[in-house]
Formats: sequence, structure tokens, C-alpha cells
Amino acid sequence: DAGVIQSPRHEVTEMGQEVTLRCKPISGHNSLFWYRQTMMRGLELLIYFNNNVPIDDSGMPEDRFSAKMPNASFSTLKIQPSEPRDSAVYFCASSLGGGFYEQYFGPGTRLTVT
Amino acid sequence: QQQVKQSPQSLIVQKGGIPIINCAYENTAFDYFPWYQQFPGKGPALLIAIRPDVSEKKEGRFTISFNKSAKQFSLHIMDSQPGDSATYFCASRDSNYQLIWGAGTKLIIKP
Repeated sequence: DAGVIQSPRHEVTEMGQEVTLRCKPISGHNSLFWYRQTMMRGLELLIYFNNNVPIDDSGMPEDRFSAKMPNASFSTLKIQPSEPRDSAVYFCASSLGGGFYEQYFGPGTRLTVT
Repeated sequence: QQQVKQSPQSLIVQKGGIPIINCAYENTAFDYFPWYQQFPGKGPALLIAIRPDVSEKKEGRFTISFNKSAKQFSLHIMDSQPGDSATYFCASRDSNYQLIWGAGTKLIIKP
């Protein structure tokens, strides 16, 4: 299996622009997670989908952030408008389920907002 | 929000030494405790995990020690190697089946 695929790997954008991050989970996995990692705040769970349905979005920092999972093989995380404090590495992970199941992380997208 | 407190924040150990990373959790309902390893430029990957019905689990050079009464668990790396240099995260599964993550420990093994 190719593992979790994320694109782009790097994104540099100007403040105020819309940013869309993409994720393809491992085939057969029914849970998908979006995380943000920074030096200051560590690894933060933003949102969790199960069977394409958002289950917990309490980690989404503001209304500027939105996530969708239109089907089992694709998810997006959108930031509109972007701000410099959104600069971070964004990871997508998938698993066979919540909790006990191993989460498989993608390589991440490094976002820089200038 | 319930937390998992991880320490130390960073750790430097000579090759062959035994680094120990500690985590403490708050809720006795937590019932699954994985450790993830992250190399620079990569996403975290599951290293080893334990459930509270055992006090220790070993996989190769990696050992989790679990103290249920103290609500603490730790990762030990035997015969540490420079290739073990990475950031290590502990986590705990809560009653909503979500992982609560520790802040991470940056480990450097000196040759």
C-alpha cells in the first residue's frame, strides 16, 4: 500500500489567501484525522472523521478552518483566509477505527503563511 | 481538557545508555497507551503500545513500564543507538475513543 498521501508537501502563501490541503487515506481505513504540529503547541488534533462523517471538530481553531470528506478516499482541510499564525506542519492520519487502532500518518504538509 | 503530561521535553544520552521518557495521565478511564516515534520530516509512527492489564511490555529494545495506581507510564530504550534519535510522543485513549497526546520528547543519542 502507498500509505497516507498528502499534497502539497510544501505550501507558501500570503496572508489572506485561501489554502487547501489534501489527503488520501489508506484504502479500507474508515477513520481519518487532521493534526497540526508546531513547536509551541505540539501535536494538536483538529478534526476526526469516521465513515466520512465529522465526529469531533472541537480542535478546529476558528471558523477560518473547514474540513470535508466527500468520500472514503479523499479529504480536504481548507483555511480561508490564512494568517501567519497558521504556519505549521499539517498531518493527515488514517486508521481502521478510533482508539485502539494504529493511526498511520502521512508525510505532512509544511504551510508557511507570510 | 484532560491531559497527558510528558517529560522531559528533551533528552541527550550517550550511545548504549538507557533513555527514559515519562508520561502521566489524569483519568482512570484511559485504557490504551501507545508511544509514537517521529523522525525529522516524517509523520509519527506507532512504536509500541500497552493496555492497563499488564505492567510491562517489551518489543525489541523498547519497553513500556506501566503503573496503574500512579497513573504513569514510561518508555525505556535499551542499548540506545544514534538511529533512535527522534521525537517520541506518548498518548492515552479516552472514554470517547480519542487519543490524548503528550507534548513530545526530543531524544538525541550521541555516538
